[in-house]
Amino acid sequence: DTAVSQTPKYLVTQMGNDKSIKCEQNLGHDTMYWYKQDSKKFLKIMFSYNNKELIINETVPNRFSPKSPDKAHLNLHINSLELGDSAVYFCASSHDRDLYGYTFGSGTRLTVV
Amino acid sequence: GNSVTQMEGPVTLSEEAFLTINCTYTATGYPSLFWYVQYPGEGLQLLLKATKADDKGSNKGFEATYRKETTSFHLEKGSVQVSDSAVYFCALTSGSRLTFGEGTQLTVNP
Repeated sequence: DTAVSQTPKYLVTQMGNDKSIKCEQNLGHDTMYWYKQDSKKFLKIMFSYNNKELIINETVPNRFSPKSPDKAHLNLHINSLELGDSAVYFCASSHDRDLYGYTFGSGTRLTVV
Repeated sequence: GNSVTQMEGPVTLSEEAFLTINCTYTATGYPSLFWYVQYPGEGLQLLLKATKADDKGSNKGFEATYRKETTSFHLEKGSVQVSDSAVYFCALTSGSRLTFGEGTQLTVNP
């Protein structure tokens, strides 16, 4: 059973398009996150939700919008895609962050052409 | 704010060599510390953790000790294998998030 699953795994799309990435966790965790990993492997947090409430909203373009229909799901919608959005996007979840850290999904590699 | 600094990579070793990847941190309060590993094409996996000063985390032959006096959490392994080739991330709890270091690419040659 996959603990944190993301779909799709790969996404190739043209500039200007709108796309969504879905994330689901079956761990019963109450907090979920989106991270962006650039080509140099640097990880930057984008958003975090706790029980469907937005608690972290970093400085990202407002073309990026997270949506959490319930505490097991956190989707990421991106409008008007740009070349610079190409990266790997990771979803993660946590219950007691200080004790257990995060559980990550396997990532979505987004390529904008 | 809280931050993590890792030794720059890439690191290239021969099989059975000793590994150290340095990690130092800046934090207010008493954060928990973690090492994550990312194998090619995969997500990050928790490798080990320590939640208070002088704790030693260990897993799969890797170890790291939470040193408050030197604000460090260096990763060590006595004898690396080719299968240890990956990117290693040091991280700490920071408010409502984990803050990661820049990652260190490790390549182990046969």
